[in-house]
Amino acid sequence: AQSVTQLDSQVPVFEEAPVELRCNYSSSVSVYLFWYVQYPNQGLQLLLKYLSGSTLVKGINGFEAEFNKSQTSFHLRKPSVHISDTAEYFCAVSDLAGGFKTIFGAGTRLFVKA
Amino acid sequence: KAGVTQTPRYLIKTRGQQVTLSCSPISGHRSVSWYQQTPGQGLQFLFEYFSETQRNKGNFPGRFSGRQFSNSRSEMNVSTLELGDSALYLCASSFAGGRISTDTQYFGPGTRLTVL
Repeated sequence: AQSVTQLDSQVPVFEEAPVELRCNYSSSVSVYLFWYVQYPNQGLQLLLKYLSGSTLVKGINGFEAEFNKSQTSFHLRKPSVHISDTAEYFCAVSDLAGGFKTIFGAGTRLFVKA
Repeated sequence: KAGVTQTPRYLIKTRGQQVTLSCSPISGHRSVSWYQQTPGQGLQFLFEYFSETQRNKGNFPGRFSGRQFSNSRSEMNVSTLELGDSALYLCASSFAGGRISTDTQYFGPGTRLTVL
């Protein structure tokens, strides 16, 4: 069965510092992997997705993620964060075995301090 | 192109009542999925509708139901409300429900349901 583990519930970081939000998944077959961002009182917005091909995926707002099949990880990174990046970030997985329903991790609250 | 819209945005109900939430997908999208978001359980998949048929279902009791109309608009119904049903209900639309590589889910802003 699919599952997603986001290893950190909260990540505080200073503005302009780099950040990594960690995500591990379990799935028995080829997967689609996603990172979404949710700002307060809003729905989710797709940051990036991995379907196949290059393991380094670039997304919007300067974010990127690296797919590591051997470690079943899909960590999200940004080299320099801004105050406006403060939000909740969700890692998600879907696959054929699960009927392509999207399974989300518990979320990581990124808090960027001035 | 207009985004995914959900109505109402906020709703207050009492235990035992029923509620209907509405979701209008992006024009041309045939798949609508519903999710429940709570602080304790996070984001959980409720069900997906595609071309008026339920194509996938999460692990929720039968009190949670939905339907999709021929124009792809979807409604979700919760009967006999419980306190634990208080949540943000999100819907997402896509062309094919994520089954093709170019497909992307777009989320609405959600309906905040409070059960007293």
